[in-house]
Amino acid sequence: SQTIHQWPATLVQPVGSPLSLECTVEGTSNPNLYWYRQAAGRGLQLLFYSVGIGQISSEVPQNLSASRPQDRQFILSSKKLLLSDSGFYLCASYGSTAEQYFGPGTRLTVT
Amino acid sequence: QKEVEQNSGPLSVPEGAIASLNCTYSDRGSQSFFWYRQYSGKSPELIMFIYSNGDKEDGRFTAQLNKASQYVSLLIRDSQPSDSATYLCAVPNQGGKLIFGQGTELSVKP
Repeated sequence: SQTIHQWPATLVQPVGSPLSLECTVEGTSNPNLYWYRQAAGRGLQLLFYSVGIGQISSEVPQNLSASRPQDRQFILSSKKLLLSDSGFYLCASYGSTAEQYFGPGTRLTVT
Repeated sequence: QKEVEQNSGPLSVPEGAIASLNCTYSDRGSQSFFWYRQYSGKSPELIMFIYSNGDKEDGRFTAQLNKASQYVSLLIRDSQPSDSATYLCAVPNQGGKLIFGQGTELSVKP
């Protein structure tokens, strides 16, 4: 079975500062990977997904970007954070029968 | 555009009762369905999946699928306070993506 790691677990950043969140996956190779954001009390919003190294699809226009430098590494970045970027960021990996498995998440507060 | 609808709740049931969570979907061609449980402050956890019409049971959980009516349900028997969480329904979309409902918050009162 696959295991997804995310770090940091929590982060407090000022407006205008950069961001880098990392996700790594164990127990599978060449997985589809996904970044979601969940605002407080809201549903899951798909931000990016990747089917392989260097292949990134963006679901919504925004202040964020994603990269996949290695097969099992997925990074979410921003050059300048906005207050609206606050939320719970989740990395997910595709399973064998269309399900997705989630990492523990990063809670980001932009102040 | 596929859609997945859930009542946001909160749904409140007494301990020991059956909790019934419902989800409707727009794409008649959908073949598989997933239920996730999300405790407050935690990430979603896959608890059930169902592909065929009818019922699928796993312990206290039963998933029910009715493709003709385009709904899928999750029943939790003998509800416990530890079942209090938000339950998310999800349907596969093209490109390996999932479409999630907004989730139903369940509260089990002792």
